Amino acid sequence: DIQMTQSPSSLSASVGDRVTITCRASQDMSTYLAWYQLKPGKVPKLLILAASTLKSGVPSRFSGSGSGTEFTLTISSLQPEDVATYYCQNYNRVPWTFGQGTKVEIK
Amino acid sequence: QVQLQESGPGLVKPSETLSLTCTVSGGSINSHYWSWIRHPPGKGLEWIGYIYYRGTTNYNPSLQSRVTISLDRSKTHVSLRLSSVTAADTAVYYCARGYGELESWGQGTLVVVSS
Repeated sequence: DIQMTQSPSSLSASVGDRVTITCRASQDMSTYLAWYQLKPGKVPKLLILAASTLKSGVPSRFSGSGSGTEFTLTISSLQPEDVATYYCQNYNRVPWTFGQGTKVEIK
Repeated sequence: QVQLQESGPGLVKPSETLSLTCTVSGGSINSHYWSWIRHPPGKGLEWIGYIYYRGTTNYNPSLQSRVTISLDRSKTHVSLRLSSVTAADTAVYYCARGYGELESWGQGTLVVVSS
């Protein structure tokens, strides 16, 4: 299985700050990586596919980059509605695997 | 816009079989892959498996011996059966659509395994 390691596990930042979350894969997965946003009681939301493609309708302050084994999700200007837990996902090969999540809070 | 809704018992006894249904509305089951994912409390997400609308399945090897994913005959429901459950199977269970990236999800349903 491809192991996905996210860092940090949690962060606290001010509104307007730039936030970066890292996801490292245990083996090369090209750009077969997605990012999701999970909020309690809400439907999980796909943000980024193919490592850097923004899903239609997702605010442009979200961006993704990387390939191979290292990937990042960046929120260019943190907003109150971005409080959530973010997960990366490998879909290079089955079993699809997720990172352990990064909880983002407002300072 | 497709909507997914999970349903089923919120409490299952150890050693019994967990059965959940995902109702698909606003779109067709045809031409899509349908996954089940779970989120144990305090842990990360775990992909359980998927079914293609034609019936092909693929399961996480960690659960393969206990999991069955199926489509019902009317093709508006995707079902999950997980046998011989233990407390470790307590989780929020989600269904989702997509091959690879999971583009649409349900809200999830909490299943607690306890006597």
